[in-house]
Amino acid sequence: GQNIDQPTEMTATEGAIVQINCTYQTSGFNGLFWYQQHAGEAPTFLSYNVLDGLEEKGRFSSFLSRSKGYSYLLLKELQMKDSASYLCAVRGDSWGKFQFGAGTQVVVTP
Amino acid sequence: KAGVTQTPRYLIKTRGQQVTLSCSPISGHRSVSWYQQTPGQGLQFLFEYFSETQRNKGNFPGRFSGRQFSNSRSEMNVSTLELGDSALYLCASSRHQGGVGNTEAFFGQGTRLTVV
Repeated sequence: GQNIDQPTEMTATEGAIVQINCTYQTSGFNGLFWYQQHAGEAPTFLSYNVLDGLEEKGRFSSFLSRSKGYSYLLLKELQMKDSASYLCAVRGDSWGKFQFGAGTQVVVTP
Repeated sequence: KAGVTQTPRYLIKTRGQQVTLSCSPISGHRSVSWYQQTPGQGLQFLFEYFSETQRNKGNFPGRFSGRQFSNSRSEMNVSTLELGDSALYLCASSRHQGGVGNTEAFFGQGTRLTVV
């Protein structure tokens, strides 16, 4: 079947690092995307991986291993504004069709 | 450059009624997708449109339908509303359809539908 799994919630302290893991089993693969969603707002794009390896974008990095069906999002130097839901999404065999994980709620504490 | 615009932002309807939601993609984007977001199910794919053609449909009943116009604007319609249709409906637009590229989907603010 098709599945995208990520932890439900993670808590970390301001200034710390948090790693959100995502495992997936999907038919077709055209990239793995990470989105951030604050409560009541639209998801906003954070990062994208289509080849194996690490992509770094400022405080955020994302890693992909296609053979393992595994990705992670690394958030460094956490700030209070990083408290949000982080969504792992796989673009399948159709350009506009994403399959999303349930989201990981990250809570940043002072 | 304007983002993805969805109207209306909030809507309250009664069971049995029908509703039409609208999405205007980013200028130049021809791919539009719709998603339903609920606390229990997360983001679920509804449909994908490109050049006025439905390219893909998710596992939703026939009460959910959509269309795309020549200017890439899209509408989705839900007929015979049920309480379980209460959700945030999100529209996403992308520039490409196929080919090489990391074109992400840009989401609108969504339409919050409440069925009473």
